[in-house]
Amino acid sequence: GENVEQHPSTLSVQEGDSAVIKCTYSDSASNYFPWYKQELGKRPQLIIDIRSNVGEKKDQRIAVTLNKTAKHFSLHITETQPEDSAVYFCAARTQGGSEKLVFGKGTKLTVNP
Amino acid sequence: GAVVSQHPSRVICKSGTSVKIECRSLDFQATTMFWYRQFPKQSLMLMATSNEGSKATYEQGVEKDKFLINHASLTLSTLTVTSAHPEDSSFYICSAHRAGGPLETQYFGPGTRLLVL
Repeated sequence: GENVEQHPSTLSVQEGDSAVIKCTYSDSASNYFPWYKQELGKRPQLIIDIRSNVGEKKDQRIAVTLNKTAKHFSLHITETQPEDSAVYFCAARTQGGSEKLVFGKGTKLTVNP
Repeated sequence: GAVVSQHPSRVICKSGTSVKIECRSLDFQATTMFWYRQFPKQSLMLMATSNEGSKATYEQGVEKDKFLINHASLTLSTLTVTSAHPEDSSFYICSAHRAGGPLETQYFGPGTRLLVL
């Protein structure tokens, strides 16, 4: 089955700096890669996603890149703000069968004012 | 649109009792719902996939007789933790896939925090 590795587990940056979180996946059949932001005690919120037929996607300060050959994808947050502080999870969905997602272990991002 | 609710938001129960958690899609029909468990400072672990009108599919290591799932309608799935023990204390989150929507998109509920004493 699919296995998703996420790094780093914690990340601390200064306000205004960029933050990058990386994930690798094992199943080359995976074709959908969402990123979720989860604040303490709350539900995961989808912040951006990318499909396997696209190499990069951007939404304001957030971007995701996908390298299918290397089987890794990354989240980039520019001009970080304290409200970006949260736990971020990457996930991968395998093509065919159920729509289930396999999540990475999460990255706790702290943006220091 | 695409709102998912869970009830209760938190529950405290005694060891040995059963607890039922409801997951509802409020403004759409959900052919598939997913149940996750999240321990403190850990990731979301899929417990089971629930399809309306059929038996749930459980992930490896999840006891189907302990975690009973019922998906009786296109807007409601329930998870019953039977004979709960302190190690079942966790954050339980459901998500729903909208019927006819993009296959990948899941909408998450707000979660239910279970504490078993």
